[in-house]
Amino acid sequence: NAGVTQTPKFQVLKTGQSMTLQCAQDMNHNSMYWYRQDPGMGLRLIYYSASEGTTDKGEVPNGYNVSRLNKREFSLRLESAAPSQTSVYFCASSVGGANYGYTFGSGTRLTVV
Amino acid sequence: RKEVEQDPGPFNVPEGATVAFNCTYSNSASQSFFWYRQDCRKEPKLLMSVYSSGNEDGRFTAQLNRASQYISLLIRDSKLSDSATYLCVVNNPGTDKLIFGTGTRLQVFP
Repeated sequence: NAGVTQTPKFQVLKTGQSMTLQCAQDMNHNSMYWYRQDPGMGLRLIYYSASEGTTDKGEVPNGYNVSRLNKREFSLRLESAAPSQTSVYFCASSVGGANYGYTFGSGTRLTVV
Repeated sequence: RKEVEQDPGPFNVPEGATVAFNCTYSNSASQSFFWYRQDCRKEPKLLMSVYSSGNEDGRFTAQLNRASQYISLLIRDSKLSDSATYLCVVNNPGTDKLIFGTGTRLQVFP
């Protein structure tokens, strides 16, 4: 049982390049989330999707776009990467929102040079 | 004031010690509370939910004080493997979202 799978695990981008971070869950969860984690800042919500076909901005959405492709998959796209987007990105899912806690993927370590 | 505040630590304790962490939250309407554990360079993992009456899971005890808006985590008989960062997590009322504290780092030494 894989849980939440993120790809890639590591990535180095040059400023201005684009890329998509992939996330898939096999737990039939309705809600999915993208966070970034920076030293001293904790986890900050970028975007979330309460159900298939819906997406909403979180705390720090600028510079990112998302797609909830189907119930399983929720991707995060950086259209023009900036050094400020160097971070660890975590995808998470939940069966029904905040009351049940989240299950996290193993993360993507992104460096923008 | 931060929505969820934790002492960053580190708390350095010997094996076998008892250690407690506190966390305060700002929104009195919050209803769901959790402790997550995060190992270095790994993802956060749910350690335990926190219930109004307090709850225990082996060596771990969680307490909630709604009047003072704080949550605590007590670890008894600390093990080397307990070394990690512990995240206090609270729901954002009226939304599907959780708010994560920045974590308290625990280091257990032999």
